Amino acid sequence: GENVEQHPSTLSVQEGDSAVIKCTYSDSASNYFPWYKQELGKRPQLIIDIRSNVGEKKDQRIAVTLNKTAKHFSLHITETQPEDSAVYFCAASYPSAGAGSYQLTFGKGTKLSVIP
Amino acid sequence: DSGVTQTPKHLITATGQRVTLRCSPRSGDLSVYWYQQSLDQGLQFLIQYYNGEERAKGNILERFSAQQFPDLHSELNLSSLELGDSALYFCASARAGTSGDTQYFGPGTRLTVL
Repeated sequence: GENVEQHPSTLSVQEGDSAVIKCTYSDSASNYFPWYKQELGKRPQLIIDIRSNVGEKKDQRIAVTLNKTAKHFSLHITETQPEDSAVYFCAASYPSAGAGSYQLTFGKGTKLSVIP
Repeated sequence: DSGVTQTPKHLITATGQRVTLRCSPRSGDLSVYWYQQSLDQGLQFLIQYYNGEERAKGNILERFSAQQFPDLHSELNLSSLELGDSALYFCASARAGTSGDTQYFGPGTRLTVL
């Protein structure tokens, strides 16, 4: 099955600096890579995702890049703000065989702290 | 608000007991996923249902079981509870359960086993 490794496990940055979180996956057939943000005691929420036919996707201060050859993808947050402090999870899924056959494999998470 | 609801929000029980967690997916979503999140741990996939049928199993213990009903709500049953079962249990739903579908998470049920 799919295995997703995520680094670093903790990350502290000064407000205004950039933060980068990296993930690698094992199954070369994987084709969908979402990122979730989980604030303390809250539900995970999708913040951005990328599909394998795209190399980069950006949404305001966050961006995700995908390197299919190396089987890794990264989350970039620019101009970090205190409200970016949370745990971020990457995930991967391989092509489903039809409706109802898709699951996500999550990384172990990165705890991001933005220091004011 | 993701549109996914879970009850109860908190549950405190004793070792050896049995509990049932309930999840209602977003309107129109056919796929329901259950996850376990222990303290400072990631999201461990337990089981998936699609339109009433079990579709995939992850790291689910034999003491745990689940089902999805005709109205698409799902229940996760945990029995012979142990201290180590204390965790946040999330359910998530997705439209058709095909790759690329966004999984929307519910608010979770915090289970404490004493």
